[in-house]
Amino acid sequence: QVQLQESGPGLVKPSQTLSLTCTVSGGSISSGSYYWSWIRQPAGKGLEWIGRIYTSGSTNYNPSLKSRVTISVDTSKNQFSLKLSSVTAADTAVYYCARRSLLYLPGGAGGAFAFDIWGQGTMVTVSS
Amino acid sequence: AIWMTQSPSLLSASTGDRVTISCRMSQGISSYLAWYQQKPGKAPELLIYAASTLQSGVPSRFSGSGSGTDFTLTISCLQSEDFATYYCQQYYSFPYTFGQGTKLEIK
Repeated sequence: QVQLQESGPGLVKPSQTLSLTCTVSGGSISSGSYYWSWIRQPAGKGLEWIGRIYTSGSTNYNPSLKSRVTISVDTSKNQFSLKLSSVTAADTAVYYCARRSLLYLPGGAGGAFAFDIWGQGTMVTVSS
Repeated sequence: AIWMTQSPSLLSASTGDRVTISCRMSQGISSYLAWYQQKPGKAPELLIYAASTLQSGVPSRFSGSGSGTDFTLTISCLQSEDFATYYCQQYYSFPYTFGQGTKLEIK
């Protein structure tokens, strides 16, 4: 059973860089056609997709954050990471890592994508 | 970006009720829609993908419908464990976006 676990500092100072790592256990990050995403959720608010990476290193980012975001992967450690620069209080949130999988449709009608496995989330506060 | 309007934002219901949550897109997305359930302090969990396909292990009282711009999540007979917040999510185009959420509370 694949599991994801986020790790990193819970407190980051304004203008600094937020760095988080997601460790994949129970399976290889390189197996299958999976994309690995970061998603965040400010307290009491909705979900915001930050970006994703494939194990080849190919990335896609949310344009609203693109200038500040870098997502990378380390297949040897079965991990992928998020860096968000120049943080402000608006970046305070619970950060989740998630796996986007190709899920099969009944009757051989092809497949569809969704976030089927999530980490438990890690709270990051931006404050001096 | 594709904008999503999810309604209602708050829904009060009783155990045994049938409830419906709506998700409307700013443009057509075919059936590229998923639904998630989130309980307080927990990560979201996948319920439905491709608008109407139930994720493995999800009870059959959950169902989804719709295509294009209008989608619906229905819970046919509410159980106590269903009181949570529900989100729709489109994966038709980048950036992936989520609805604002519907909090389902006990009446």
